[in-house]
Amino acid sequence: DAGVTQSPTHLIKTRGQHVTLRCSPISGHKSVSWYQQVLGQGPQFIFQYYEKEERGRGNFPDRFSARQFPNYSSELNVNALLLGDSALYLCASSLDAFVVIYEQYFGPGTRLTVT
Amino acid sequence: GDSVTQMEGPVTLSEEAFLTINCTYTATGYPSLFWYVQYPGEGLQLLLKATKADDKGSNKGFEATYRKETTSFHLEKGSVQVSDSAVYFCALTHNTNAGKSTFGDGTTLTVKP
Repeated sequence: DAGVTQSPTHLIKTRGQHVTLRCSPISGHKSVSWYQQVLGQGPQFIFQYYEKEERGRGNFPDRFSARQFPNYSSELNVNALLLGDSALYLCASSLDAFVVIYEQYFGPGTRLTVT
Repeated sequence: GDSVTQMEGPVTLSEEAFLTINCTYTATGYPSLFWYVQYPGEGLQLLLKATKADDKGSNKGFEATYRKETTSFHLEKGSVQVSDSAVYFCALTHNTNAGKSTFGDGTTLTVKP
């Protein structure tokens, strides 16, 4: 079975631009979470979506938004990019949003560089 | 809010040495605790987990015990291999929201032959 897939793998953008990152969860998984991992730090929670509804939001500005589609894939959008947005963006999927024994499976990430 | 603190790295060991990576946490209630491993250029892989106090998670020779009294979840392995070289992350998740994890900053392990 395919794991969590993310696209693109790498991305270079200029300050002020907008970016869209995409994630396809493991088949059957209904929960998708997004994390930002700055170099040398642990992942920071950005959003969680379950059954197309936002279930949680981390401490990120409104420039960050996301959505989940009927097929449970998800997009993360970041507007007005700043240099500090340069990071590895990780997507994770799980069967359910409420049962922690259903572990999160992480994708390989999208490396975003803002110049 | 929740937080996870890991011992600072990097950690460099010789092959077959004993490994301990310390992890302590601050959280309300009784979260589940996890160790993830990240190899260069890859995403995170779950290494082991424990969902309640005194539980021991184990996988691939790695072990960690959920200690509520000391709010700790230290990772151990009796004999490391070169292939264990990676970054290790300790994390917690509350049972009310399985998709939101709080991570430590990671500990880089390098094992030399």
